[in-house]
Amino acid sequence: EAQVTQNPRYLITVTGKKLTVTCSQNMNHEYMSWYRQDPGLGLRQIYYSMNVEVTDKGDVPEGYKVSRKEKRNFPLILESPSPNQTSLYFCASSFGTGLETQYFGPGTRLLVL
Amino acid sequence: GNSVTQMEGPVTLSEEAFLTINCTYTATGYPSLFWYVQYPGEGLQLLLKATKADDKGSNKGFEATYRKETTSFHLEKGSVQVSDSAVYFCALKSRDFNKFYFGSGTKLNVKP
Repeated sequence: EAQVTQNPRYLITVTGKKLTVTCSQNMNHEYMSWYRQDPGLGLRQIYYSMNVEVTDKGDVPEGYKVSRKEKRNFPLILESPSPNQTSLYFCASSFGTGLETQYFGPGTRLLVL
Repeated sequence: GNSVTQMEGPVTLSEEAFLTINCTYTATGYPSLFWYVQYPGEGLQLLLKATKADDKGSNKGFEATYRKETTSFHLEKGSVQVSDSAVYFCALKSRDFNKFYFGSGTKLNVKP
């Protein structure tokens, strides 16, 4: 089954404790992206990647890191989480440059205390 | 810069009513435009898209036309169903960069 998976689905952590949210897709997509969803703000793009070893900043990259060492995986790293990073996070992937259908993961709900 | 503005919700309609959700955008160059739908507890799904001016995207009875002169991409459906209840997001993809910009979302409630 074609899908984007994210882990964990729910996470409660404390300020400053490094964490990684994993994202994996099995569709051989070139384009992968991370978004955060906040009430009243919609989705905002954090980082995206056009292919292996090619990543670029979205609209709200501060406080986040990503890597793309393999085509299927695109982890999101919070080196020192802060309460303002409490949010719902979505990973997405698509063929090409993103003009094709983006497939979204189920979301990761993060609470930073 | 690039941005998307959608009408605030929630929008509450009776079944079989006509739906319009307004979306306007600001963009450098000529973006591609999208409507995504999010059902409760799920990720987003692409509903329709248009990649150039005057293109009409359509899917599942929903339509939207890319209007360059009014910088708009309004979503319409002639007769909504209870199963259409969801949050709808308008989005654009910049041609200059491979970035996406989403609106704040409009929640639709359809009552039987």
